[in-house]
Amino acid sequence: QKEVEQDPGPLSVPEGAIVSLNCTYSNSAFQYFMWYRQYSRKGPELLMYTYSSGNKEDGRFTAQVDKSSKYISLFIRDSQPSDSATYLCAIPQGGKLIFGQGTELSVKP
Amino acid sequence: DTAVSQTPKYLVTQMGNDKSIKCEQNLGHDTMYWYKQDSKKFLKIMFSYNNKELIINETVPNRFSPKSPDKAHLNLHINSLELGDSAVYFCASSQVPTGGTGELFFGEGSRLTVL
Repeated sequence: QKEVEQDPGPLSVPEGAIVSLNCTYSNSAFQYFMWYRQYSRKGPELLMYTYSSGNKEDGRFTAQVDKSSKYISLFIRDSQPSDSATYLCAIPQGGKLIFGQGTELSVKP
Repeated sequence: DTAVSQTPKYLVTQMGNDKSIKCEQNLGHDTMYWYKQDSKKFLKIMFSYNNKELIINETVPNRFSPKSPDKAHLNLHINSLELGDSAVYFCASSQVPTGGTGELFFGEGSRLTVL
């Protein structure tokens, strides 16, 4: 079993839709959870991070962690064409980041 | 002013050749990394250096040789290139070896195509 698993998509939604991106992880000791966003032909950049369980909100983005089910989610409200990118969940472990496979999101105007 | 810069951005070469990718960061970070992203966008660590010292070598074939002449630079040399080496190689840096918030700063990638 991979340490972090993510539905690779691709996911295509109309502008204004609510988007839900999800990952599962295997090690219950993980405490920090990150979401990176990667635009086409660019490097990933940190979007949000959360510690332990609960929600964290930043504008239209909400990161959620459910440690009981080892499930992390990123919600995007009122999605915009500029949100079209690949979203990668990531967990720090042993001096490195372990990434999910990435979900490619396309928001159509 | 680019924080993490890699050169070249594109490499196209024949099997069996040798190639190098260079990386520089001006963030003052102590830790630098090489990550490989395959055609399915899966991003996997290859190497990590902290203040010029190798701290992670993630079972990468020894055809891959990282070198850090100082903490602001990390290069990657690849010998005897194979078709499976085709990928995008990302350099990244962080203030400390990844932990806590785990923020890495990535370059724009070097897209290697082996024919």
